[in-house]
Amino acid sequence: QKEVEQNSGPLSVPEGAIASLNCTYSDRGSQSFFWYRQYSGKSPELIMSIYSNGDKEDGRFTAQLNKASQYVSLLIRDSQPSDSATYLCAVNRALKTIFGAGTRLFVKA
Amino acid sequence: GAVVSQHPSRVICKSGTSVKIECRSLDFQATTMFWYRQFPKKSLMLMATSNEGSKATYEQGVEKDKFLINHASLTLSTLTVTSAHPEDSSFYICSARETGGSGANVLTFGAGSRLTVL
Repeated sequence: QKEVEQNSGPLSVPEGAIASLNCTYSDRGSQSFFWYRQYSGKSPELIMSIYSNGDKEDGRFTAQLNKASQYVSLLIRDSQPSDSATYLCAVNRALKTIFGAGTRLFVKA
Repeated sequence: GAVVSQHPSRVICKSGTSVKIECRSLDFQATTMFWYRQFPKKSLMLMATSNEGSKATYEQGVEKDKFLINHASLTLSTLTVTSAHPEDSSFYICSARETGGSGANVLTFGAGSRLTVL
């Protein structure tokens, strides 16, 4: 079992729709969770961090965490073509950050 | 916000040569930096944790004699790929976690270095 699992996609949504990205993790002791966006050929950039159960909203982005289910999600509202990228879920284990394989998102104009 | 500078951004070298990649934290101190490698359409794989003033900690399967890491100061870590071969061609990305900052759990990434070994 991988430490951080994501559906590789691609996930295709029309412009203006909600994109839903999901992630599960195996280490029940993990306390910090992140979503990064990576454009092709570029390094990842942080979108959201979440540390406690529930929802955290920042602009068009909402991160959801359910520690009991070991599940993290990212919702992107009003998706734009510029949101097309690979979204990486990441989890802190001890002092290390472990990444999932990423979900490729395409937003169609 | 925290900024991590990484260079060179691209390097092409001949097989058998060594390549050094630098990673600097510009406006904060980082006792720990991390080196990742990413193959095309694959995720980031942690190679090693670079510790200021001590030896790096390598992940399982990463050859420490091939990937030399030096973290001589609180703002600089270097990765040297020794005797590079075509299979070492990849995107190498460093990251740092700000020491004691409010975002202490968050990684800041460098822009990455794309290595091509001919």
